[in-house]
Amino acid sequence: KAGVTQTPRYLIKTRGQQVTLSCSPISGHRSVSWYQQTPGQGLQFLFEYFSETQRNKGNFPGRFSGRQFSNSRSEMNVSTLELGDSALYLCASSLGGLDGTDTQYFGPGTRLTVL
Amino acid sequence: GENVEQHPSTLSVQEGDSAVIKCTYSDSASNYFPWYKQELGKGPQLIIDIRSNVGEKKDQRIAVTLNKTAKHFSLHITETQPEDSAVYFCAASRGGSYIPTFGRGTSLIVHP
Repeated sequence: KAGVTQTPRYLIKTRGQQVTLSCSPISGHRSVSWYQQTPGQGLQFLFEYFSETQRNKGNFPGRFSGRQFSNSRSEMNVSTLELGDSALYLCASSLGGLDGTDTQYFGPGTRLTVL
Repeated sequence: GENVEQHPSTLSVQEGDSAVIKCTYSDSASNYFPWYKQELGKGPQLIIDIRSNVGEKKDQRIAVTLNKTAKHFSLHITETQPEDSAVYFCAASRGGSYIPTFGRGTSLIVHP
């Protein structure tokens, strides 16, 4: 089975621009979660989508948004980029079960650099 | 909400030694504890997980133990090899919450 894929792998943007990142989950997985990873803050949860609906949201400003399509693919958008948005953005997919034992599988990430 | 503490933040060992990474959690309802390994330039990869009805699980050189009473779980790597060098993350999750809470990570360095 193919793993989680993310595109693009690297991005360089300037302050004020916006960016869209894409994630394709493992086949059959209906949940997609997004994380921001920085050296100082570890893995910070952004949001989770299940069946095209945002089911969970972390503590990030409204500049960060996402969506999920009917084929479970997901996109994340960051508007009005700031220098502090430079990070590795990780996507994780899972079946989406609610018994607490749902395993997340991560993609390779998109490295975003804001200049 | 859940809080997961992970120690140490950095661990340096000689090849062949054992390595132990410890995590504590705060929510007694947590019932699933995965461990991830993240190599440089890659996303975290699941290496082993344990459910709350099990006290220990092994997979070759890797083992995880869980103490529900004390609310802590540990990753044990025996006969470490240079390719074990990576950042390791623990996580905890519970029923009704789809999102695991991650520890801050441990950078394991195995010296040849």
